[in-house]
Amino acid sequence: DTEVTQTPKHLVMGMTNKKSLKCEQHMGHRAMYWYKQKAKKPPELMFVYSYEKLSINESVPSRFSPECPNSSLLNLHLHALQPEDSALYLCASSQGTGGRGPPAEQYFGPGTRLTVT
Amino acid sequence: AQSVTQLDSQVPVFEEAPVELRCNYSSSVSVYLFWYVQYPNQGLQLLLKYLSGSTLVKGINGFEAEFNKSQTSFHLRKPSVHISDTAEYFCAVSPPQGGSYIPTFGRGTSLIVHP
Repeated sequence: DTEVTQTPKHLVMGMTNKKSLKCEQHMGHRAMYWYKQKAKKPPELMFVYSYEKLSINESVPSRFSPECPNSSLLNLHLHALQPEDSALYLCASSQGTGGRGPPAEQYFGPGTRLTVT
Repeated sequence: AQSVTQLDSQVPVFEEAPVELRCNYSSSVSVYLFWYVQYPNQGLQLLLKYLSGSTLVKGINGFEAEFNKSQTSFHLRKPSVHISDTAEYFCAVSPPQGGSYIPTFGRGTSLIVHP
């Protein structure tokens, strides 16, 4: 199974709502990532978890709160978002994030299309 | 630090014609290079990667890329495209072993295949 699943596929939320995005992989990968992607732009890295610990936070506003409950799951909690946060949110996983040997391939989920009204 | 430049934001081409998507990288050290494809309403999928060895790399769906160290390029080619190849293509670079493998993406090239 080389699949990364994300739920929901689409989400519309108001600026005062609280919602969560979910990501799951069963490949035994120990690194998981959240990316934000605007239309016709490359993915922008938000967070990286390595062995269930947050290892990179790319200066993301606190209205985005990641959580890694176990090695297979990654959540992104959303609160008090702004309209400019509307985007495709992609989850990815890989065997690791660095070290010796060639880099591990990132596997991406299909994304959650988020619209903030 | 590494960076990637994709020179063309959009490449229109007719079905069954050859195509080349250009990618140049900038780095003071050796790097790993990747091409990803993103079909409409989907996530990214790895097409191919250059780690070391042969400079001609073959990937999925009939794509190939050539690593050229002197020109710091990693152009993607396909001899005959299909309508289904219409997608966004991202070139990416990550530093060599010992550092973080998290890729840096180029801005993307939209390949539009016309019938």
